[in-house]
Amino acid sequence: KAGVTQTPRYLIKTRGQQVTLSCSPISGHRSVSWYQQTPGQGLQFLFEYFSETQRNKGNFPGRFSGRQFSNSRSEMNVSTLELGDSALYLCASSLDGRTNQPQHFGDGTRLSIL
Amino acid sequence: AQSVTQPDIHITVSEGASLELRCNYSYGATPYLFWYVQSPGQGLQLLLKYFSGDTLVQGIKGFEAEFKRSQSSFNLRKPSVHWSDAAEYFCAVRGNAGNMLTFGGGTRLMVKP
Repeated sequence: KAGVTQTPRYLIKTRGQQVTLSCSPISGHRSVSWYQQTPGQGLQFLFEYFSETQRNKGNFPGRFSGRQFSNSRSEMNVSTLELGDSALYLCASSLDGRTNQPQHFGDGTRLSIL
Repeated sequence: AQSVTQPDIHITVSEGASLELRCNYSYGATPYLFWYVQSPGQGLQLLLKYFSGDTLVQGIKGFEAEFKRSQSSFNLRKPSVHWSDAAEYFCAVRGNAGNMLTFGGGTRLMVKP
């Protein structure tokens, strides 16, 4: 069974640009969550999608947005990029997002802002 | 609000020695607890989880963890460390509303030959 797939693995952007990251969950999984990992702030929750609806949102500015498609694939968008957005962005999926299910993570997209 | 503390940022152990990584959590009710491991350039791999029941849980790669409600702790243990265990380890907690994980700051494990 294929794991969580994130594309691309690496991205380099400049300040002010926007970027879209993609996540394909494990087959059959309907909940997708996104996390940001930085050396200074560690792992922080961005948002969770389930059945194409945002169910939870972390404490990030509105420049960070996402969506989920009917096949459960999810995209995350960051607009007006800032240097501080440089991070590893991790996607995680679980079966239906109930709390007694673990989340399985992809290998992440490393975003570098110049 | 829930929170997780991993007091040790770095730990170095000799290969074959035992290991204990500490994790303390703050949450008002019974939490759901997890340990993940991250190798360089990789995502997070689930080692084990605690939802309820037996407070000693077994995971993959020979790891185990014990949930102690009185101490708000969920420490990770391994009786004999292998060089391939060198990685960063994260403890995480999830409440009973929503799918949001709150992570500790991580413990980087180095293994001496």
